Amino acid sequence: EAGVAQSPRYKIIEKRQSVAFWCNPISGHATLYWYQQILGQGPKLLIQFQNNGVVDDSQLPKDRFSAERLKGVDSTLKIQPAKLEDSAVYLCASSLVGDTEAFFGQGTRLTVV
Amino acid sequence: GQSLEQPSEVTAVEGAIVQINCTYQTSGFYGLSWYQQHDGGAPTFLSYNGLDGLEETGRFSSFLSRSDSYGYLLLQELQMKDSASYFCAVRDEFTSGTYKYIFGTGTRLKVLA
Repeated sequence: EAGVAQSPRYKIIEKRQSVAFWCNPISGHATLYWYQQILGQGPKLLIQFQNNGVVDDSQLPKDRFSAERLKGVDSTLKIQPAKLEDSAVYLCASSLVGDTEAFFGQGTRLTVV
Repeated sequence: GQSLEQPSEVTAVEGAIVQINCTYQTSGFYGLSWYQQHDGGAPTFLSYNGLDGLEETGRFSSFLSRSDSYGYLLLQELQMKDSASYFCAVRDEFTSGTYKYIFGTGTRLKVLA
């Protein structure tokens, strides 16, 4: 079974530039999560989808971050414009609805200079 | 507010037993999960406790006491490959059947030869 795929693995951008991350969850997983993990900290939930609907985006900085999940499968997370404090690893995870185990991708390490 | 507290770092020798504690204070609670994350890697699921008591999976065990808002992960027969960060995560409910996971700050385990 293929795991959660994310791209790119690494990205370096200048502040005020835009960046997009892509995630392909495990087939059949209706729940998709985007987490932000700052170095030395635990993952922080940015947005959670169930199919193509948003379950929670209370911690998503909506003035600069946006996310979508078209057709309830792949998802993209965008930052526009980026700030220095956005430097982090962005993790995508997926799970079956109501399941206790979430499967994480390798993440995208973003560095904003 | 919501908080999950873990020790920042634990060091032990190969073959030893180590316990990583997690105390939580959250608005809702349905269970406690544990994840392992190697440097540069994806978090991977280790265990889940929905009820009080001990769950055992090979060399790893996890314990939960809901009345004390406390849980721990026990790693036995430590191996060098167990050197990683360990996160507890509270499972809380958005709406009926839809759950979210709030992660702790993580414990960095160093296993010495």
